[in-house]
Amino acid sequence: GQQVMQIPQYQHVQEGEDFTTYCNSSTTLSNIQWYKQRPGGHPVFLIQLVKSGEVKKQKRLTFQFGEAKKNSSLHITATQTTDVGTYFCAGTMTTDSWGKFQFGAGTQVVVTP
Amino acid sequence: NAGVMQNPRHLVRRRGQEARLRCSPMKGHSHVYWYRQLPEEGLKFMVYLQKENIIDESGMPKERFSAEFPKEGPSILRIQQVVRGDSAAYFCASSMGLAGLYNEQFFGPGTRLTVL
Repeated sequence: GQQVMQIPQYQHVQEGEDFTTYCNSSTTLSNIQWYKQRPGGHPVFLIQLVKSGEVKKQKRLTFQFGEAKKNSSLHITATQTTDVGTYFCAGTMTTDSWGKFQFGAGTQVVVTP
Repeated sequence: NAGVMQNPRHLVRRRGQEARLRCSPMKGHSHVYWYRQLPEEGLKFMVYLQKENIIDESGMPKERFSAEFPKEGPSILRIQQVVRGDSAAYFCASSMGLAGLYNEQFFGPGTRLTVL
């Protein structure tokens, strides 16, 4: 079954608001990556986190890796219409070989002007 | 520097036919990954290859599916005797070193396979 869970599945946001999407794994992760996919497009790499408790920022996006390396979050502040798309997390289980990524089902973000 | 290239972009097959999906990694990349994506779902890992070697194929169905990454030429994902359930978008990604060890994956535009 699904080992990497993402919530919420859908997120409707008013332009200018903040929101957070969460990624939870049933097992410890060696790393976590985040991707954005626009409708009809392909996933585009955003960030990778490796260390326990790591926090990285990219302009309005803040990424966090949990202390136990089983969960991660993506927080977007002051949402813009360009943030529309589906955000995926992907991680390598410590029990799996490097190079094998388990993707979450994604959070589909719709922004209302 | 051209990105990851996949062809064809759209492929229509009838049940029982074979589908061949091609992926040319970015220049200098020797690691290739194949994923399948069903509508409204995330990507499912299928296989990870390095030049001439299959490293991990644990996500690939045991029958009808095969993948290769020859010394010369693109990586090929081959689906024999396709069934309607094979209809999906198939994405290829490549990385310079092993993805996850500080190397990101670059995704191609995908091949959308439709089985009639």
